[in-house]
Amino acid sequence: DTEVTQTPKHLVMGMTNKKSLKCEQHMGHRAMYWYKQKAKKPPELMFVYSYEKLSINESVPSRFSPECPNSSLLNLHLHALQPEDSALYLCASSQLGLAGANSYNEQFFGPGTRLTVL
Amino acid sequence: GDSVTQMEGPVTLSEEAFLTINCTYTATGYPSLFWYVQYPGEGLQLLLKATKADDKGSNKGFEATYRKETTSFHLEKGSVQVSDSAVYFCALSGALNAGKSTFGDGTTLTVKP
Repeated sequence: DTEVTQTPKHLVMGMTNKKSLKCEQHMGHRAMYWYKQKAKKPPELMFVYSYEKLSINESVPSRFSPECPNSSLLNLHLHALQPEDSALYLCASSQLGLAGANSYNEQFFGPGTRLTVL
Repeated sequence: GDSVTQMEGPVTLSEEAFLTINCTYTATGYPSLFWYVQYPGEGLQLLLKATKADDKGSNKGFEATYRKETTSFHLEKGSVQVSDSAVYFCALSGALNAGKSTFGDGTTLTVKP
């Protein structure tokens, strides 16, 4: 299984709602990522989990709260979002290589969740 | 810090034309280099990769060679098809930045029949 799955595919929420995005992979990857992608732009890294621990937070507002319950699952909890948070949210996973190795970090992306905040 | 510069788009070609999308990078050390493709309404897919100087990545008729002397990783295809219409992202990942990839701005390719 070389697939990263994401649910839901589309999500519309109001600014007072609480919702969660889910991501799952069964490739044994120990690094998982959340990206935000605006139209016609490259993905922007939000969070990285390594061995189920948060290793990178790219100064993301606290209204986005990541969670990694186990090595296969990654969640993104959303609360009090703003209309400018509307975007495609992509999950990815990768292997973690040995220290000093260059041949890791080939990332496998999910299809994304298209989020609209009204 | 690390950076990736891609040729600006959009690029419009006729079917069976030759494709080149330029990509140059700056990075500390010896990064791995990648081309990802994003079809409309989908996530990114790895197209090809190279992990050391002079490596050639290839897939689905696309090729790119890791050129350390010119810090480049240009994407080429000899004969494009309408189904190749997509956005192409050049990216790098360095051993010193575990967990972070640096992406170029993307190049939109449209192939017309």
